[in-house]
Amino acid sequence: IAGITQAPTSQILAAGRRMTLRCTQDMRHNAMYWYRQDLGLGLRLIHYSNTAGTTGKGEVPDGYSVSRANTDDFPLTLASAVPSQTSVYFCASSDLPGADTQYFGPGTRLTVL
Amino acid sequence: AQSVTQLDSQVPVFEEAPVELRCNYSSSVSVYLFWYVQYPNQGLQLLLKYLSGSTLVKGINGFEAEFNKSQTSFHLRKPSVHISDTAEYFCAVYVQGGKLIFGQGTELSVKP
Repeated sequence: IAGITQAPTSQILAAGRRMTLRCTQDMRHNAMYWYRQDLGLGLRLIHYSNTAGTTGKGEVPDGYSVSRANTDDFPLTLASAVPSQTSVYFCASSDLPGADTQYFGPGTRLTVL
Repeated sequence: AQSVTQLDSQVPVFEEAPVELRCNYSSSVSVYLFWYVQYPNQGLQLLLKYLSGSTLVKGINGFEAEFNKSQTSFHLRKPSVHISDTAEYFCAVYVQGGKLIFGQGTELSVKP
């Protein structure tokens, strides 16, 4: 069982470029999440989806968009990357939205120059 | 608004010594609390969680945490740490709508 896979593992991107981070889970979980991790700030929620077809905004949604066309996939798109979006991005999923255990992917390290 | 504060950014400790990682939360409603661990270059994994019932919660790898409502705390403890416990530890509180709010993290460094 793979759990959650994320791609790419790392990426260096020029400012202004469009980038999509991919996230796929094979656990048939209903809820999925995108976080960014920055030193000293912990993890901050960008967007979430409680079930396929629905999405919601987290703490830091500006500059990011998501879609949830099916249960397994939850891509995160940066329409026009800026240096402040340099971060490590984690995708997570849980069987149910709410106080349920979240399972995390290995992360994508993104550098925007 | 609900929030989480981890009181120590770094905790160095010698192997086989006890350790406590401190976490305080603010919430005006019932709380659900979590501790996650992140080993170097990996994603997070759940250590333990408090949803209801006994205020002493036991997790994996010999860790435990105590929910203290009067002090709004959820400190993580282990009586004897190993080198392999070196990692970053995150406290989190559940927020209405299916979201977790994470603390800033505590880096535990276990020295031989």
